[in-house]
Amino acid sequence: QVTLRESGPVLVKPTETLTLTCTVSGLSLSTATVGVSWVRQPPGKTPEWLAHLFSKDEKSGDGKSYINTSLRSRLTISKDTAKNQVVLTLTNMDPVDTGTYYCVRICHGSSGGYFDYWGQGTLVTVSS
Amino acid sequence: DIQMTQSPTTLPAFVGDRITITCRASQNIGGWLAWYQQKPGTAPNLLISKASNLESGVPSRFSGSGSGTEFTLTISSLQPDDFATYYCQRYNSYSSLAFGGGTKVEMK
Repeated sequence: QVTLRESGPVLVKPTETLTLTCTVSGLSLSTATVGVSWVRQPPGKTPEWLAHLFSKDEKSGDGKSYINTSLRSRLTISKDTAKNQVVLTLTNMDPVDTGTYYCVRICHGSSGGYFDYWGQGTLVTVSS
Repeated sequence: DIQMTQSPTTLPAFVGDRITITCRASQNIGGWLAWYQQKPGTAPNLLISKASNLESGVPSRFSGSGSGTEFTLTISSLQPDDFATYYCQRYNSYSSLAFGGGTKVEMK
């Protein structure tokens, strides 16, 4: 049974840095090609893919990450294999970043992936 | 970036109706499309992958079709549990994944 659980602050101030942690169970981040993504959803709006991280690239053996180009200057994704966690960091938070942040397992397609297991999500509000 | 456009935005319907939701891509994405159902206060739930592959546990009244730039999600006989918002998602590239704008299926 794969489960993902998000944790982090519910309220951050404008210009602050958001750090969210996704704790994964039933899936090892040390296993090749396992991928975990972050998706956010502003209230009443459509989901937005933020980033994903793969435990190991099939060719290089190294972990590989992809970040939404619109957030590349502000977003970092990393993992702690020993704790089986994926960490999202988003700098310079703004009220438009308010929304529910989901940790998701990405299922491989050919050159992309879809999301089969979702965490329950954590609502982050950006306000002074 | 390839844009995903869903229609209609809102779909009023009765229980028992056959309904169809359309998702159009601005460029060819092959068959790399997924569909999700979302109810208020919960995470999206995967219904269909690769345009037409029904996920395990999803009722057979749901079906997906299409390829290239035009895709459809059909519910053959709408049930009370199906009133929700539906999203398509293209996954033709790991570096750029995107959802459609959503279709809210509501009671007529």
